[in-house]
Amino acid sequence: NAGVTQTPKFQVLKTGQSMTLQCAQDMNHEYMSWYRQDPGMGLRLIHYSVGAGITDQGEVPNGYNVSRSTTEDFPLRLLSAAPSQTSVYFCASSPTYDRVRGGTQYFGPGTRLLVL
Amino acid sequence: AQSVAQPEDQVNVAEGNPLTVKCTYSVSGNPYLFWYVQYPNRGLQFLLKYITGDNLVKGSYGFEAEFNKSQTSFHLKKPSALVSDSALYFCAGYGGATNKLIFGTGTLLAVQP
Repeated sequence: NAGVTQTPKFQVLKTGQSMTLQCAQDMNHEYMSWYRQDPGMGLRLIHYSVGAGITDQGEVPNGYNVSRSTTEDFPLRLLSAAPSQTSVYFCASSPTYDRVRGGTQYFGPGTRLLVL
Repeated sequence: AQSVAQPEDQVNVAEGNPLTVKCTYSVSGNPYLFWYVQYPNRGLQFLLKYITGDNLVKGSYGFEAEFNKSQTSFHLKKPSALVSDSALYFCAGYGGATNKLIFGTGTLLAVQP
């Protein structure tokens, strides 16, 4: 299994440009999520999905869109990039979204995004 | 509000000495707590988790964590640190009625040879 894969690894955007960060997992996990990591702030949840066709907002959803048309893929779209979106983005998946069953999340390698 | 706190930005320890990385939580209901490790330019890797049962949880690479309900803590420990343990460590947890995982701000562990 490749696990969780993310593309691209690094991207530079100009303010106002749009782009899609790709995330895929081959473990048939029902739960997928996107985080951003900023110095001193840990990881903050952007959006998450508990299954194909179902998405919901996390802590910091503004400026980002997601969709989940298949179990495997969970792309993150930046509609109009801003310098405040400069960050490292991580995608994660889990076999279950049920916290009672203690779903362990598996993380991708990350995408570094620089918005000028 | 649900929260997970890591009070130390950095922990320094000499190789061979025991290490502790601290984590406290504030969640309603039963807490479900995790430790993850991040090596430079890599994604997070799962170390261990507490769901229920024994308060001492054993995980990967010789790490363990002690759940203390009265002190609302979940400190990460290792009896003998290695230089290769140097990394960024995150505590995380679910709580309340949410299925959202909340992360602490991270603690940088530096093990000196």
